[in-house]
Amino acid sequence: DTAVSQTPKYLVTQMGNDKSIKCEQNLGHDTMYWYKQDSKKFLKIMFSYNNKELIINETVPNRFSPKSPDKAHLNLHINSLELGDSAVYFCASSQEPGQLWRHGYTFGSGTRLTVV
Amino acid sequence: EDKVVQSPLSLVVHEGDTVTLNCSYEVTNFRSLLWYKQEKKAPTFLFMLTSSGIEKKSGRLSSILDKKELFSILNITATQTGDSAVYLCAVVIRRGADGLTFGKGTHLIIQP
Repeated sequence: DTAVSQTPKYLVTQMGNDKSIKCEQNLGHDTMYWYKQDSKKFLKIMFSYNNKELIINETVPNRFSPKSPDKAHLNLHINSLELGDSAVYFCASSQEPGQLWRHGYTFGSGTRLTVV
Repeated sequence: EDKVVQSPLSLVVHEGDTVTLNCSYEVTNFRSLLWYKQEKKAPTFLFMLTSSGIEKKSGRLSSILDKKELFSILNITATQTGDSAVYLCAVVIRRGADGLTFGKGTHLIIQP
């Protein structure tokens, strides 16, 4: 029973296209995130979102936009894809701060995006 | 700028050895530090440390935080080939729900 699930697992697309990656969590967590992991395995936060607030990492291009239809979903839309967008994108979720010690942040299994 | 630095970046040891992985941080409004293990896919949670000097243990893994010197260590005793992975250190900053700031990881290889 997957806690944080992402689709698709792999995505190959051409430069200039627009694509979306979906994320769903069934943990009842309040906050969801998107992270980007580059070829050197460096994980960097892109967005965090809960019912009240979207926080954007200022280094993220505005071609990237999160969309949350409800508390359990946070999708990532990417417009005008570029070669440098190739990476693994991880979705994650977390519970209220007092419960973090139990599970930390729970990550999905990642979406490997390749832009050609 | 908030910074999390891990060392070494890579480490190769033999099965049965003990390893110590380091994580130092320079951040504003530190809240807690987390360790993750990443094999092929998603990072999996190991420990969360909030208070100085209190060791967390899980089997052969243990970790401790020093908030005065701003670092944490992750120890693995009697290493096994299944311990081979990238170990990630991350810091939670008290600044709203803005997630984790990660170090670049330590790539650990355990040779039989």
